[in-house]
Amino acid sequence: DAGVTQSPTHLIKTRGQQVTLRCSPKSGHDTVSWYQQALGQGPQFIFQYYEEEERQRGNFPDRFSGHQFPNYSSELNVNALLLGDSALYLCASSPLLRGIDGYTFGSGTRLTVV
Amino acid sequence: AQSVAQPEDQVNVAEGNPLTVKCTYSVSGNPYLFWYVQYPNRGLQFLLKYITGDNLVKGSYGFEAEFNKSQTSFHLKKPSALVSDSALYFCAVTTLLPGDSNYQLIWGAGTKLIIKP
Repeated sequence: DAGVTQSPTHLIKTRGQQVTLRCSPKSGHDTVSWYQQALGQGPQFIFQYYEEEERQRGNFPDRFSGHQFPNYSSELNVNALLLGDSALYLCASSPLLRGIDGYTFGSGTRLTVV
Repeated sequence: AQSVAQPEDQVNVAEGNPLTVKCTYSVSGNPYLFWYVQYPNRGLQFLLKYITGDNLVKGSYGFEAEFNKSQTSFHLKKPSALVSDSALYFCAVTTLLPGDSNYQLIWGAGTKLIIKP
């Protein structure tokens, strides 16, 4: 049973560019959450998708947007990249909207902005 | 506001000795508490959770955690450490306030655990 799959694993972009990260949730999971983890820090919640809608959002600017598809997979888009956007981006899926049974995390996408 | 504190940036333990990684939390409602482990260049792996019930929670890889409501703590423990336990450990909390239907996990900054042979 495949877990959470994220692509690509690594990415290098230039300031001002746009990037799209992808996530396929674990089989049976319908809720997807995205986190940003800067080096040496804990994950910071970006947003959560359920039934193809953004249900909750953390303290991130509108440059960060997302989408969830009918098959529950999700994309994270970041526009006008800044150097400070360099981080590990983690996708987590869960079987319930509230996810209190615990997330399953992907291995992440390491984004470097130069 | 909800918060999680992991007071130790790093914990050093000799292999075979017991280990403790500390976590304290602050929430307005009933806490739901989690421990995750992260290996280098990897995502987060779920270790254990406390939702309700017995204060001593057993999880993966021989880890356990004790929920202490009076001290608002959820310390991670293992009786005998292995070198392979060396990793970054994160404590997280969520809660549901009256009227809320959504939630988000609030994370600690992480504790680096180093097990020396």
